[in-house]
Amino acid sequence: GQQLNQSPQSMFIQEGEDVSMNCTSSSIFNTWLWYKQDPGEGPVLLIALYKAGELTSNGRLTAQFGITRKDSFLNISASIPSDVGIYFCAGLHTNAGKSTFGDGTTLTVKP
Amino acid sequence: DAGITQSPRHKVTETGTPVTLRCHQTENHRYMYWYRQDPGHGLRLIHYSYGVKDTDKGEVSDGYSVSRSKTEDFLLTLESATSSQTSVYFCAISNTEDGYNEQFFGPGTRLTVL
Repeated sequence: GQQLNQSPQSMFIQEGEDVSMNCTSSSIFNTWLWYKQDPGEGPVLLIALYKAGELTSNGRLTAQFGITRKDSFLNISASIPSDVGIYFCAGLHTNAGKSTFGDGTTLTVKP
Repeated sequence: DAGITQSPRHKVTETGTPVTLRCHQTENHRYMYWYRQDPGHGLRLIHYSYGVKDTDKGEVSDGYSVSRSKTEDFLLTLESATSSQTSVYFCAISNTEDGYNEQFFGPGTRLTVL
């Protein structure tokens, strides 16, 4: 099946630093989604991207849909302790609603 | 929060026993999904449904079956549980008919097979 390569696998940063993570694929996607998962809970949608080249912000979060439609990145500015968690990308290549998920980036923020 | 509940939230069972997990939604969304989450593997799709009585397999469907007799309920059954099926199971819903493909997740069910 299709695979997404999400990197980095984990990050350890100081509070206040900016964070960047990305996902790449050999397949083209029509939609990119970014999720955050807190311990013991289900993933929560952060940002959805629907057009190649689209840049979308949600507070301190910014995500972009790559021009080739095979990649996406997520940036978090001025990180805070509550940003800790696992961040997942997901790509959809049809309108059937099925997503392919990356393996996640685990973020640790040191106060 | 999207109206998605999962039951049970935690279950411990023995190898060879049947297990059924339930996902219930109050959003009237067309699509429902079952994923499993294991360390190092992210979320992997088991089965999904695109309407009442309409289901299809995901990438890790072996050993699992599903049923959807009502829009609001999607059941995942392990006919004969094995230790390799110890995992956290998430249900998700989406409504692609409005043109947007976001999936919303339930709180998860932690299943341990001894």
